[in-house]
Amino acid sequence: SQTIHQWPATLVQPVGSPLSLECTVEGTSNPNLYWYRQAAGRGLQLLFYSVGIGQISSEVPQNLSASRPQDRQFILSSKKLLLSDSGFYLCAWKTGLGAYEQYFGPGTRLTVT
Amino acid sequence: KQEVTQIPAALSVPEGENLVLNCSFTDSAIYNLQWFRQDPGKGLTSLLLIQSSQREQTSGRLNASLDKSSGRSTLYIAASQPGDSATYLCAVNQAGTALIFGKGTTLSVSS
Repeated sequence: SQTIHQWPATLVQPVGSPLSLECTVEGTSNPNLYWYRQAAGRGLQLLFYSVGIGQISSEVPQNLSASRPQDRQFILSSKKLLLSDSGFYLCAWKTGLGAYEQYFGPGTRLTVT
Repeated sequence: KQEVTQIPAALSVPEGENLVLNCSFTDSAIYNLQWFRQDPGKGLTSLLLIQSSQREQTSGRLNASLDKSSGRSTLYIAASQPGDSATYLCAVNQAGTALIFGKGTTLSVSS
């Protein structure tokens, strides 16, 4: 069966510090991978998605970036965090493009102070 | 631009009641619609997936319907239990890539 992991589970970082969040998927190959952010009082917002190694699409301009160094690994990064980057970050995967079910990881709670 | 709306934003019911959560979307050209459950501080658990060609899906006490032409979906929960308390999210898959979410309905079931 497929499993999706995210770490860390929680993170408190000062403004201006760097960020690295990691997501890995087990039990499938060549998944579509996604990063979403859920901010207080707002719905889930798509940040990035990837259909393959090294292929990243950005949905929202921001100071965040994403990378996919391996087939089942997706990393969310920032060089300098802003207060507005606080939120709940969720990684998700799907079998491929099209009408497939999407599955989510446990999330990372980021608080920027 | 696709927009997904969920009504009501919050709902409180006594245990045992049947209830309906509503989801509407503005563009009917979707691949499918997915209902999720989110417990506080946790990730999303997929409940039901309805493909665009389907009218409904059932899983246990849950039944989801889809009327694509009118841009509506409902999630019916039968015989609600305190363990059903959570936020329920509706999301549409429009372009085959990522999901577009509503803001959710927070359900509280009292014993």
